[in-house]
Amino acid sequence: GENVEQHPSTLSVQEGDSAVIKCTYSDSASNYFPWYKQELGKRPQLIIDIRSNVGEKKDQRIAVTLNKTAKHFSLHITETQPEDSAVYFCAASYSNYQLIWGAGTKLIIKP
Amino acid sequence: NAGVTQTPKFRVLKTGQSMTLLCAQDMNHEYMYWYRQDPGMGLRLIHYSVGEGTTAKGEVPDGYNVSRLKKQNFLLGLESAAPSQTSVYFCASSYRPPDEQYFGPGTRLTVT
Repeated sequence: GENVEQHPSTLSVQEGDSAVIKCTYSDSASNYFPWYKQELGKRPQLIIDIRSNVGEKKDQRIAVTLNKTAKHFSLHITETQPEDSAVYFCAASYSNYQLIWGAGTKLIIKP
Repeated sequence: NAGVTQTPKFRVLKTGQSMTLLCAQDMNHEYMYWYRQDPGMGLRLIHYSVGEGTTAKGEVPDGYNVSRLKKQNFLLGLESAAPSQTSVYFCASSYRPPDEQYFGPGTRLTVT
């Protein structure tokens, strides 16, 4: 079946440094790629998304890049802050209605 | 707007018991989803609905049933709970996929 692989599973960076999380997907028909942030004990919340007709999208310190040929997309967080500590999930659309999710990356920001 | 709400927040069941989880949304969304979240496995789709009166199976539907009698409500039922169904259950809704899914606060279910 279709799947999304996400790496790394845990990422520890110094406060102020950049963090990069990578995902690959298998369904060549996928055209929507969201990233969600989930703080401990809370619900997942969308932080940024990208569609297949765009190669890159930025929102302040957060950016997402998409390489459709290679079937991979990445989340970039610059100038990391303590409040960036959370689990981040990538996902890819499947059959229009569904999302296939990565297993998550736990981001730890060291002071 | 309350967004997406779920009841109950916590529940402990014994093996073989049944229960229903309720999801409600006040955003007039057509599409609703039930996921389970287990450590290290991300979110897995159990069932989803593309409109009132319709339901469809997701990735892990076995042991669960759903109903969407009203547009704003999506119910998830466990007829005979098993320890393997211990998990955190999230409901979500969206306006017109593929697009943002809005999540409820989750239900933590333990089956002993």
